[in-house]
Amino acid sequence: EAGVAQSPRYKIIEKRQSVAFWCNPISGHATLYWYQQILGQGPKLLIQFQNNGVVDDSQLPKDRFSAERLKGVDSTLKIQPAKLEDSAVYLCASSFSASRANTGELFFGEGSRLTVL
Amino acid sequence: AQSVTQLDSQVPVFEEAPVELRCNYSSSVSVYLFWYVQYPNQGLQLLLKYLSGSTLVKGINGFEAEFNKSQTSFHLRKPSVHISDTAEYFCAVSDKGGTASKLTFGTGTRLQVTL
Repeated sequence: EAGVAQSPRYKIIEKRQSVAFWCNPISGHATLYWYQQILGQGPKLLIQFQNNGVVDDSQLPKDRFSAERLKGVDSTLKIQPAKLEDSAVYLCASSFSASRANTGELFFGEGSRLTVL
Repeated sequence: AQSVTQLDSQVPVFEEAPVELRCNYSSSVSVYLFWYVQYPNQGLQLLLKYLSGSTLVKGINGFEAEFNKSQTSFHLRKPSVHISDTAEYFCAVSDKGGTASKLTFGTGTRLQVTL
């Protein structure tokens, strides 16, 4: 079974530029998450989707971050314009359902490492 | 609101020695508890979890953890570590019965195993 796929793995940009990350969850997983992992910290939830609807985006900095999951499968996370403090690893995770994610059935991709100069 | 504290940011240990990684949590409701492992340049992988029942849970790669409700702790242990256990370990908590997954992670403990 294929895991959660993310791209690009690494991205270096100048501040004020824009960047987009792509995530393809495990087939059949309705719930998709984007986490931000800053160096030395644990992952922090940015946004949760249930199919193509947003369940929770309370910690997403909406002035610069946006995310979509138009067809309920793939998702993109965009940052525009980027700031120095956005340097982090962006992890995508998926689960069959939110309740199953809550009991540990949450599968992570390898992450996209962003460096903002 | 819930929170997780991992007091040790780094734990150096020699191969074949025992190790304990500490985790304390706070929450106003009943919780599920997890340990995730992150190998270099990889995503997080579930190591073990406590949902209910026996307070001693066993996970992959010989790790185990014990849920202590009175001390609000969920420490991770392994009796004999291997070089391949070198990784970042994250303790996490979520609310039982939560309608949305609100997994809260600790800041991580880097386990460095040397010969």
